Amino acid sequence: KNQVEQSPQSLIILEGKNCTLQCNYTVSPFSNLRWYKQDTGRGPVSLTIMTFSENTKSNGRYTATLDADTKQSSLHITASQLSDSASYICVVSHTLTGTASKLTFGTGTRLQVTL
Amino acid sequence: DTGVSQDPRHKITKRGQNVTFRCDPISEHNRLYWYRQTLGQGPEFLTYFQNEAQLEKSRLLSDRFSAERPKGSFSTLEIQRTEQGDSAMYLCASSLVTSGLRETQYFGPGTRLLVL
Repeated sequence: KNQVEQSPQSLIILEGKNCTLQCNYTVSPFSNLRWYKQDTGRGPVSLTIMTFSENTKSNGRYTATLDADTKQSSLHITASQLSDSASYICVVSHTLTGTASKLTFGTGTRLQVTL
Repeated sequence: DTGVSQDPRHKITKRGQNVTFRCDPISEHNRLYWYRQTLGQGPEFLTYFQNEAQLEKSRLLSDRFSAERPKGSFSTLEIQRTEQGDSAMYLCASSLVTSGLRETQYFGPGTRLLVL
């Protein structure tokens, strides 16, 4: 069964600190992995995307890593800001046919950045 | 056109009533998805369209749910005889799928439904 598990479920950190979110997946055949940021009451917004051959991808203060052998990914946030408070969802895409794909969503990590 | 739009953003209804949501995808996107998201969970796939054709429906989509995309542009999701368990955020996403192009789904802001 295709699954995406994330940890921790929630996290509270002080502004300016770094944090790392984890994602484990059992999706096959693997196509790509994305991290989405979802603000409360909003739709998800893509932060990074990585294919099988990419093991790291940065987007500003966000750095994602991918280990396709162990089927693990992490999202590292550097120098956190209050605006980083959101849910971070790991999404794994598996190929159906041709360019068609299907997404499996994790349940997300709820991050709260405080003063 | 700056992104996927959904209307309404919030809907409160009484149990047993019918509701209809609308999604306007990014122009020229040929694929449109509907998801449902409950509090503390990731989005769950409901159905998707390739142009006007509905290609897949999840088991979550009971016979009270119907989705259409009549002209291959905007889509509607109707829930008949709403139940309290239907309370959730309904997300729409669109993408452009062409040969050799990696698909990226762009999400709308969602419609939050509360069934009393």
